[in-house]
Amino acid sequence: GQNIDQPTEMTATEGAIVQINCTYQTSGFNGLFWYQQHAGEAPTFLSYNVLDGLEEKGRFSSFLSRSKGYSYLLLKELQMKDSASYLCAPMDSNYQLIWGAGTKLIIKP
Amino acid sequence: GAVVSQHPSWVICKSGTSVKIECRSLDFQATTMFWYRQFPKQSLMLMATSNEGSKATYEQGVEKDKFLINHASLTLSTLTVTSAHPEDSSFYICSAIGPGHNGNQPQHFGDGTRLSIL
Repeated sequence: GQNIDQPTEMTATEGAIVQINCTYQTSGFNGLFWYQQHAGEAPTFLSYNVLDGLEEKGRFSSFLSRSKGYSYLLLKELQMKDSASYLCAPMDSNYQLIWGAGTKLIIKP
Repeated sequence: GAVVSQHPSWVICKSGTSVKIECRSLDFQATTMFWYRQFPKQSLMLMATSNEGSKATYEQGVEKDKFLINHASLTLSTLTVTSAHPEDSSFYICSAIGPGHNGNQPQHFGDGTRLSIL
């Protein structure tokens, strides 16, 4: 079967760094997306990884290891507005995104 | 770029009513659109995938006669929830990708429609 494993909830302090881990199992693999979803809103695209390694985009970076079925999202210089759910979504061989429940990130002052 | 507009954002109606939700890609041609449903604190559930000019592909367990999807143009897809009942109350979200889909294009989401059936 296909599944995604992310922590349900994490807490971090404003200005700090947090790493959200994701392990996945899919039928085939065509890359992995990270999305941010604020409560009551639709997801917004953050990053895409298809090759192993780190992709950096401002305060956010995403890492992928295909052999390990593992990815992480790294958020630096945390701001209160970063409080949201973060969704790890790998794409299977049919180019379909597999969605988990995501990680709810709580930022404290 | 890659803006997707979804309308309405909120619907409250009586049981038995049919509700139409529109999803538009404003600045790109969306060859493929996706319709999702999300219950509180749960993951996105893909309902169907629609390609312009062809019938939608529904996920297992989704009633195609209840959730009518039309993707008549490259910028518009509609989802009609027919004879809605309280158990259909949910957050419905559309997303779209442009032409040349080779797997590395992100899905761009509309703002979602919160449907409440009384």
